[in-house]
Amino acid sequence: AQSVAQPEDQVNVAEGNPLTVKCTYSVSGNPYLFWYVQYPNRGLQFLLKYITGDNLVKGSYGFEAEFNKSQTSFHLKKPSALVSDSALYFCAVRDLNDYKLSFGAGTTVTVRA
Amino acid sequence: SAVISQKPSRDICQRGTSLTIQCQVDSQVTMMFWYRQQPGQSLTLIATANQGSEATYESGFVIDKFPISRPNLTFSTLTVSNMSPEDSSIYLCSVVDMFGTDTQYFGPGTRLTVL
Repeated sequence: AQSVAQPEDQVNVAEGNPLTVKCTYSVSGNPYLFWYVQYPNRGLQFLLKYITGDNLVKGSYGFEAEFNKSQTSFHLKKPSALVSDSALYFCAVRDLNDYKLSFGAGTTVTVRA
Repeated sequence: SAVISQKPSRDICQRGTSLTIQCQVDSQVTMMFWYRQQPGQSLTLIATANQGSEATYESGFVIDKFPISRPNLTFSTLTVSNMSPEDSSIYLCSVVDMFGTDTQYFGPGTRLTVL
């Protein structure tokens, strides 16, 4: 079985400050990890993924994530947050042999001006 | 990435009725999925839509309640049958493209309210 935990329901940061959204995962084999963002009344937009290779993955809109196998974590980061980054963020995992995604509960990010 | 559209974008329905949601992709894709996002909740996989055969349902979801069709590699429908207010959710289709990128892309979703 595979699962994802996003320990924070909400993250609040000031514009220009670093943003971190936490994610830990559990999967039987090698993980495929994803971050998606959902703006109000919109579908999910793909941000970035880790399949293999470098532990630091860069994605859309200046976001990056670091894969840490020993800590089974895949935290999303942005060095300088924007008000427009305010949205709902989901971490998701699948294993090598199954395309079905398991999602975390989501983290609401609010960036104040 | 594939461009995915869903119809309708939203609907308000009476209990006991059924609604069919369409998912159209602008290119052929290998896999299509249907997810449900209940209010304030995360996404839950309903089923994998298999081209030319019966869908594969996840635990807690059955074909009589959520019949799914996938007649070709670019189109799928999900029907929510005999609706109750508990079916009020956002329903999203997702696809994995033909180029082995391993990324699942999502449609804009259909927001369903059942009165």
